[in-house]
Amino acid sequence: ETGVTQSPTHLIKTRGQQVTLRCSSQSGHNTVSWYQQALGQGPQFIFQYYREEENGRGNFPPRFSGLQFPNYSSELNVNALELNDSALYLCASSTKKGENEAFFGQGTRLTVV
Amino acid sequence: AQSVSQHNHHVILSEAASLELGCNYSYGGTVNLFWYVQYPGQHLQLLLKYFSGDPLVKGIKGFEAEFIKSKFSFNLRKPSVQWSDTAEYFCAVIPPYNQGGKLIFGQGTELSVKP
Repeated sequence: ETGVTQSPTHLIKTRGQQVTLRCSSQSGHNTVSWYQQALGQGPQFIFQYYREEENGRGNFPPRFSGLQFPNYSSELNVNALELNDSALYLCASSTKKGENEAFFGQGTRLTVV
Repeated sequence: AQSVSQHNHHVILSEAASLELGCNYSYGGTVNLFWYVQYPGQHLQLLLKYFSGDPLVKGIKGFEAEFIKSKFSFNLRKPSVQWSDTAEYFCAVIPPYNQGGKLIFGQGTELSVKP
């Protein structure tokens, strides 16, 4: 157990829909990063939130957006879902903008049909 | 493009065999290096990390890794694997200047250990 919880665990959506994924960070952690892990690939960095502000973004289009709340929990929103958005979405929490060890949740498996 | 490369996609070993998984990165400058493991159905968990100091790093469950700066490598080793080591292993790097603290992962190596 890492103390990082994600919900839901599985989700099926239709192309064009919107989805919101949620993450509760480990107690004492003020930094949340989101990753997309396609089947057979390593996780790819989407973006990071530090104290409610976006603190870095990977190579993902603007339809991927996020939010961090005062309790440091976070949401990942994806608009206009495409088939290739099907993946495992991982949340990782850490301190000091990710310079220390990141603790991962179990992920949300998103399937877009 | 700057990246992290893992040499083997799938490794199959018998119990008690020795393990070495290769990892190379293409970033110059100071990097932070990690090995993560993902057991079937479980979350990614940290095996070991290197930030500075002794380039031979010991982690959990008998794993170790050696940072060789001149070769841009951070290979993972274990002298004797067990069936319970069956998992996917990811090498990851925090690049220099750490923009956003993003971890750059390799594509992963699936390890299957036969009893």
